[in-house]
Amino acid sequence: DAGITQSPRHKVTETGTPVTLRCHQTENHRYMYWYRQDPGHGLRLIHYSYGVKDTDKGEVSDGYSVSRSKTEDFLLTLESATSSQTSVYFCAISAQTSTDTQYFGPGTRLTVL
Amino acid sequence: AQTVTQSQPEMSVQEAETVTLSCTYDTSESDYYLFWYKQPPSRQMILVIRQEAYKQQNATENRFSVNFQKAAKSFSLKISDSQLGDAAMYFCAWVLIQGAQKLVFGQGTRLTINP
Repeated sequence: DAGITQSPRHKVTETGTPVTLRCHQTENHRYMYWYRQDPGHGLRLIHYSYGVKDTDKGEVSDGYSVSRSKTEDFLLTLESATSSQTSVYFCAISAQTSTDTQYFGPGTRLTVL
Repeated sequence: AQTVTQSQPEMSVQEAETVTLSCTYDTSESDYYLFWYKQPPSRQMILVIRQEAYKQQNATENRFSVNFQKAAKSFSLKISDSQLGDAAMYFCAWVLIQGAQKLVFGQGTRLTINP
């Protein structure tokens, strides 16, 4: 299995509070991604990174920000959590571009009350 | 925008039988990859099979094979000799061969295996 960990694995928070999810990889892969999974929607891309300090928006980026100060860490921040951000969040990594398989972390279940 | 559609929210099959999961996609691009991912109750996303659009030959991985029809934009997954461990959500996904690997997923099909 690819060395990807996510923390925390579960979190319950209240509306309006800031939340940061962490993705950590030990594979030294260039690309990292954040997806959210909701019933009826499959997984949707929030943000991705193509190198240290290089990030870009995905399909559903509103309300989220990311940072990558080291190759191994990719942080997803909800500045002010809302109930619509209750979801399961997955981090993924890939070594190169489309020629490489994308590996997923175990997921974080976030509940915003 | 690219879209991926899985029209079967749920499917069931008897153990040892064969089942086919459907997937269609919409894109104007010509160079892309298609994937099937499996998500068991553990929630882990597991790559099942990958198909390069430039390859005419359908991909096969043990009991899993695909029927890739590029002109029809169809990408179905066939599972032969179904096993109890195959029970999971299955997601079809598309990615452009250019830049970062921004996967576009279908809504998923929940597969139940009946003993």
